[in-house]
Amino acid sequence: GENVEQHPSTLSVQEGDSAVIKCTYSDSASNYFPWYKQELGKRPQLIIDIRSNVGEKKDQRIAVTLNKTAKHFSLHITETQPEDSAVYFCAASRDTGRRALTFGSGTRLQVQP
Amino acid sequence: ETGVTQTPRHLVMGMTNKKSLKCEQHLGHNAMYWYKQSAKKPLELMFVYNFKEQTENNSVPSRFSPECPNSSHLFLHLHTLQPEDSALYLCASSQDDQRPSYNEQFFGPGTRLTVL
Repeated sequence: GENVEQHPSTLSVQEGDSAVIKCTYSDSASNYFPWYKQELGKRPQLIIDIRSNVGEKKDQRIAVTLNKTAKHFSLHITETQPEDSAVYFCAASRDTGRRALTFGSGTRLQVQP
Repeated sequence: ETGVTQTPRHLVMGMTNKKSLKCEQHLGHNAMYWYKQSAKKPLELMFVYNFKEQTENNSVPSRFSPECPNSSHLFLHLHTLQPEDSALYLCASSQDDQRPSYNEQFFGPGTRLTVL
């Protein structure tokens, strides 16, 4: 089955700096890679996703890149703000067979004002 | 009520109790999921249901018994739990329509379970 590894487990940055979270996956058939953000005491919510037919996707201050050959994908947050502080989860799934998301172990991002 | 709802939000139970968690989705989705969230394993998939049929059971102990009477409701029946079962139990739903489409999952607020 799919195995998703996520690094780092914790990340502390100064407000305004960039943050990068990296994930690797094992199933070459995986083709959908979402990122979820979970603020303290809240439910996880989708913030951005990417499919395997594109290499990069941007939405304002967040971007996701995908390297299918190396089987890794990353979340980039630029100009970080205190409200970006949360736990971020990457995930992977495929369109055939087992389609449930496999989540990474999460990254706790702390943005210092 | 919109989205995915869960009741109760907090539950304290003894090891010999029987209780049930309820999840309801108002999004017209056909797939529902139970996750366990703890410090040890932040998002651990427990069960998956598609069109009311269980399609995945990730080696979950039998003291957890899921039930999906229809595509909008999902229950998790709890019986003789252990203190290590204390965690946040999250329900989620998605539209899984067999097409190559993304499977965005919408999560409920969770039930914080404490087993004494």
